Order: sequence, then C-alpha cells, then structure tokens
Amino acid sequence: GAVVSQHPSWVICKSGTSVKIECRSLDFQATTMFWYRQFPKQSLMLMATSNEGSKATYEQGVEKDKFLINHASLTLSTLTVTSAHPEDSSFYICSARSPGPLYNEQFFGPGTRLTVL
Amino acid sequence: AQTVTQSQPEMSVQEAETVTLSCTYDTSENNYYLFWYKQPPSRQMILVIRQEAYKQQNATENRFSVNFQKAAKSFSLKISDSQLGDTAMYFCAFLRYGGSQGNLIFGKGTKLSVKP
Repeated sequence: GAVVSQHPSWVICKSGTSVKIECRSLDFQATTMFWYRQFPKQSLMLMATSNEGSKATYEQGVEKDKFLINHASLTLSTLTVTSAHPEDSSFYICSARSPGPLYNEQFFGPGTRLTVL
Repeated sequence: AQTVTQSQPEMSVQEAETVTLSCTYDTSENNYYLFWYKQPPSRQMILVIRQEAYKQQNATENRFSVNFQKAAKSFSLKISDSQLGDTAMYFCAFLRYGGSQGNLIFGKGTKLSVKP
C-alpha cells in the first residue's frame, strides 16, 4: 500500500524559532497533500491543501505567514512553523491524495508532535 | 457545507462482543464517499472501511461492516468480535465525489475502549 512518512516524529523548540516538518510520499507521486492539526482528544482540523507547483490553499483562520507550506516536488511537502510560540504546540499530520483509481483515498503520515517551550 | 456528526464521544465494549458506532452527515451532494478511520494510541490514522454513496450494498472488511442509510444520511460502523487492538479513536469522514476539489471532513470522533 501507499506509504507517507513525516519527519521529524517529534520536535521540541524554543519560543521564537522556526521548525520545518517534512511530508513525503514514498512510493507514489502526490500532486495534492493536506496538512492537519490535532489538539489532544480532538479531531483533525484541516489547515491547508498543498498542491505541487502552486501556492497552498489555507483554511479560514489559519495564518499563512506563520504556517508556510511548500510543495516543491511530487513527493515532498513541507510545513514550516515560523516564530513558534507555545500555543503552536500540537500534533501535525499530513496526508497525500492517492493518484489513479483510488483518487478518492488519502494516505496519512504518522504525525509530528511539536512542543514549543 | 458538509458536516459530519458523531454523537458518541466515548464507548466501551467487552472483548469478543459487538459494538456499533454512529455517524450522521449532512450534504446536498448525491455522489460522495464515506470513510471510517481508526487512530490508535500511536496516532497513526488507519483506514478501516470505505463506502461509495452510489453503491447500495454495505461495505464490509473482515470484522468491520457499515450500515449505510443514504436517505437518512447515516453511516454506522459495526465491529464484530471486538479485540483489544480495536481500542482507538474512530473518526467518520466525508469526501465529495470528484475529490480533486474536495478534502476529507471529519467528525469529532468516538473513543472506543475494548475491555478484557
């Protein structure tokens, strides 16, 4: 089956620094990837849709300048949390849309736990 | 706009018993997909089962089956012969047909505990 990886799996950083999270589709090309944020005991909240070669589409209320998304290739999308603050601490999950016959399916990465001190 | 509602925040079941998780949704679309995802303590999202709205037959995957009632906009998940490994958060999700324009819309989830 299709595999999506995320790196790092967890990160701790100081307030004011920037953190980059990578999302890779390992065995398929993904023209569209999604970034979610999940607070403890809550559902996944879509932050943005990342399209290869074009600007990301952000959901209402998500700060574009704080959460920078780059989808530079068909297998890699990155989320950079700029000038991170403690309230940015969360679990971030990416997913990649399957190409071909299973176009309707998304494959999820294992998530990245971000802790901002 | 589409919405997905899971009215059971938490449920528990004895090992080997059967449990049903509820999900209702609201949409004006006629063609769409519905999913149940499992998120165990590892937090990896795992697809449990998928249903295409144009199919009348309910989807089944081993011990997992759905009761899809399109007119009632209901999509419940039945887990038979529950196992300890089924303990997880379960999310119901909706996707518009022709998903190039759409993304998954998740319910708030149901925390299922399987007790020995």
